Amino acid sequence: GAVVSQHPSRVICKSGTSVKIECRSLDFQATTMFWYRQFPKQSLMLMATSNEGSKATYEQGVEKDKFLINHASLTLSTLTVTSAHPEDSSFYICSARGNLQAQETQYFGPGTRLLVL
Amino acid sequence: AQTVTQSQPEMSVQEAETVTLSCTYDTSESDYYLFWYKQPPSRQMILVIRQEAYKQQNATENRFSVNFQKAAKSFSLKISDSQLGDAAMYFCAYRAYYGGSQGNLIFGKGTKLSVKP
Repeated sequence: GAVVSQHPSRVICKSGTSVKIECRSLDFQATTMFWYRQFPKQSLMLMATSNEGSKATYEQGVEKDKFLINHASLTLSTLTVTSAHPEDSSFYICSARGNLQAQETQYFGPGTRLLVL
Repeated sequence: AQTVTQSQPEMSVQEAETVTLSCTYDTSESDYYLFWYKQPPSRQMILVIRQEAYKQQNATENRFSVNFQKAAKSFSLKISDSQLGDAAMYFCAYRAYYGGSQGNLIFGKGTKLSVKP
């Protein structure tokens, strides 16, 4: 299957700092990328959807000024958690969908564990 | 609203035995896809199997097969000859298809599968 990478895999930061997470589709062009948040023992919660070159569409309750998403190219999307606070600590997962098999399958990155102290 | 329900928070199976994970969904759409994703302790989401709603034949991938009952809106996953490596969280997911554009993945809450040696 297609490969989606995420970097970093783990990050610890101080409260008030900003953290950037990168998501790359390695062997296909991702027309649409998704960012999810997952709390322990829970399902994935969609935060936002982005199409290359367009502004991201945020789900209800997700602060767009807090979670900045940039989908600059067909292979790269970034999520920046601005002025991070301890409550932002979570597991963040990106996902990408492209022109593979009529866009049927969505592939996931390995996730980034964020810990804000 | 479209919803996905997994009624079994946890399941257990003996190695080499067969286990079935349940999933029901609710939708008024006629075209959609159904998926089972596996999330092992590494937390990497892995696509296990996919079913197109317009196909009557149940999808099969090696030891994994589904029982797709469209009228009942049921989509169960059967794992045959269970292996220790099958231990993971399993998420059922639904995605509508709107004649050229895809909806977002909607996940169930997951079923944690344990495999006993």
